[in-house]
Amino acid sequence: EAAVTQSPRSKVAVTGGKVTLSCHQTNNHDYMYWYRQDTGHGLRLIHYSYVADSTEKGDIPDGYKASRPSQENFSLILELASLSQTAVYFCASSDRQSNERLFFGHGTKLSVL
Amino acid sequence: QQKVQQSPESLSVPEGGMASLNCTSSDRNFQYFWWYRQHSGEGPKALMSIFSDGDKKEGRFTAHLNKASLHVSLHIRDSQPSDSALYFCAASGSTNTGKLTFGDGTVLTVKP
Repeated sequence: EAAVTQSPRSKVAVTGGKVTLSCHQTNNHDYMYWYRQDTGHGLRLIHYSYVADSTEKGDIPDGYKASRPSQENFSLILELASLSQTAVYFCASSDRQSNERLFFGHGTKLSVL
Repeated sequence: QQKVQQSPESLSVPEGGMASLNCTSSDRNFQYFWWYRQHSGEGPKALMSIFSDGDKKEGRFTAHLNKASLHVSLHIRDSQPSDSALYFCAASGSTNTGKLTFGDGTVLTVKP
């Protein structure tokens, strides 16, 4: 089973502060993603990356930046956290042959106060 | 309008019963579908994919796709309490980008 590890598991941030969420995968997958889940709703794609040192915008990129310094690591950065960014964030990975089967981490619960 | 719509929002079935979940896409570019399951406090896990018209069976799970209507369903036979979870339908216009569009999910409760 693919392993995707997210840190921290939960975080409380202040409005206007900077937040960095980290993701590490040990499966040699090329593709990595950041999704956001709001209570009672499905997941929405924020940013994704197909190769190290390159990131792409997903469906809801505003207010977020991403960084992929290596194949294994993918970070999500909130430069100026806002109340509306309170959510659970999931990192996922997949390989080119998996036909879009995503392997998700356990998620990071972010509360912005 | 949400591009991937799921119904019902919640569903309760007795242990050993059949659970049926539905999903429809309003975007004709979405031709490929996945079902994911999320237990409380965990990340979603892929159950199965379906890309062709007809049925696909994996153990107790059967998915059915009608490409003409962009409707996909998931049927779980002999439901177990451990099947209680949030089920997501996800759709994509390709099979190799990982860019999935998720529905809002169906909460399934299996009562012992």
